[in-house]
Amino acid sequence: GENVEQHPSTLSVQEGDSAVIKCTYSDSASNYFPWYKQELGKRPQLIIDIRSNVGEKKDQRIAVTLNKTAKHFSLHITETQPEDSAVYFCAASKHNQGGKLIFGQGTELSVKP
Amino acid sequence: SAVISQKPSRDICQRGTSLTIQCQVDSQVTMMFWYRQQPGQSLTLIATANQGSEATYESGFVIDKFPISRPNLTFSTLTVSNMSPEDSSIYLCSARTDSNQPQHFGDGTRLSIL
Repeated sequence: GENVEQHPSTLSVQEGDSAVIKCTYSDSASNYFPWYKQELGKRPQLIIDIRSNVGEKKDQRIAVTLNKTAKHFSLHITETQPEDSAVYFCAASKHNQGGKLIFGQGTELSVKP
Repeated sequence: SAVISQKPSRDICQRGTSLTIQCQVDSQVTMMFWYRQQPGQSLTLIATANQGSEATYESGFVIDKFPISRPNLTFSTLTVSNMSPEDSSIYLCSARTDSNQPQHFGDGTRLSIL
């Protein structure tokens, strides 16, 4: 079945620096790739998503890139702030599998002021 | 986006007992899902709750242990049966209006089994 690998598991950056989290998926039929941010004790919240017909998507300080050939996608956060500190999860799904999401292992991002 | 409410938010249960978790969405959704998130871990899909038919379970999860109901397009329940300490986890409900819309999550139910 589908497998999603996420790296790194932890990431520490200085405030103002950029952070990059990478994910690799196994099923070439996957066509939807969301990213979620989960603060401690809270629900996962969607921050950005990308579909397979697009190579890059940006929303203010957050961007996601997708390389279908290599089957990997990345989250880029620029000008990081302490409130960006959280666990970030990537996920993948296929349209013909009822929309279920398969999640990566998560990355704990720490932004130091 | 859909607002998803779960209850209870947390519970402490005795081993051998069962607990039913409710998930209510404020609008009709085609897809509802149940996930488990163990402390410090990622989200693992338990099953897809299908309206009007039996749930579709993922590998490692069975109906006898995690019976699911979905009587309509806005509501679902997950029962954790014959609980053991290994079932201590956060259980999350999620929903998606249709396959072109994002999936959103409820706040989760934090379950501890003594």
